[in-house]
Amino acid sequence: AQKVTQAQTEISVVEKEDVTLDCVYETRDTTYYLFWYKQPPSGELVFLIRRNSFDEQNEISGRYSWNFQKSTSSFNFTITASQVVDSAVYFCALINGGSQGNLIFGKGTKLSVKP
Amino acid sequence: EPEVTQTPSHQVTQMGQEVILRCVPISNHLYFYWYRQILGQKVEFLVSFYNNEISEKSEIFDDQFSVERPDGSNFTLKIRSTKLEDSAMYFCASKNRGRGPNTEAFFGQGTRLTVV
Repeated sequence: AQKVTQAQTEISVVEKEDVTLDCVYETRDTTYYLFWYKQPPSGELVFLIRRNSFDEQNEISGRYSWNFQKSTSSFNFTITASQVVDSAVYFCALINGGSQGNLIFGKGTKLSVKP
Repeated sequence: EPEVTQTPSHQVTQMGQEVILRCVPISNHLYFYWYRQILGQKVEFLVSFYNNEISEKSEIFDDQFSVERPDGSNFTLKIRSTKLEDSAMYFCASKNRGRGPNTEAFFGQGTRLTVV
């Protein structure tokens, strides 16, 4: 079965705090792709990052960083020094290597950053 | 920067009516998708479309739904007889390859469908 679990439904932090959003995935495929998307209050889905299953190198992009660990089937997302504009729903998603590229989404984590 | 465009942004329809949601994918993309997000819930895959035919569909995508790429630029989702539970945000997405290194899907801004 293919599945993405985001156990944290809602997180609330105060501006400048660091926050980590958890993502655990399940797949039978040895080749797969993991994604994070951001959905701000305006509703659109904004691509943040893609990670291939054969590339476990962690990535940092400004205040964002991602920790991919195949041993625990996790792909966690950390925002450093959070800002009010980071308030959004964040979705983790999976594409299996054998599919036509359709994304399997987690339920999302709603992040609220308070000033 | 190229983007996926969806129209209308909001559609209100009576139960039982047919609706057509329209999308213009990014011009050099080959794979097209529709996803649905019921308010406050996760984004769910409906259908993928490649080479002028459906390549994969979910169990949500029943006989009430159909997709079409009528003119090489538009990609439409038709719901024949809408039900209250069809109320959701519908997202169109496109990508230039189904899988492989360049596999991020670019999403449109969504069409909010309200069935009354």
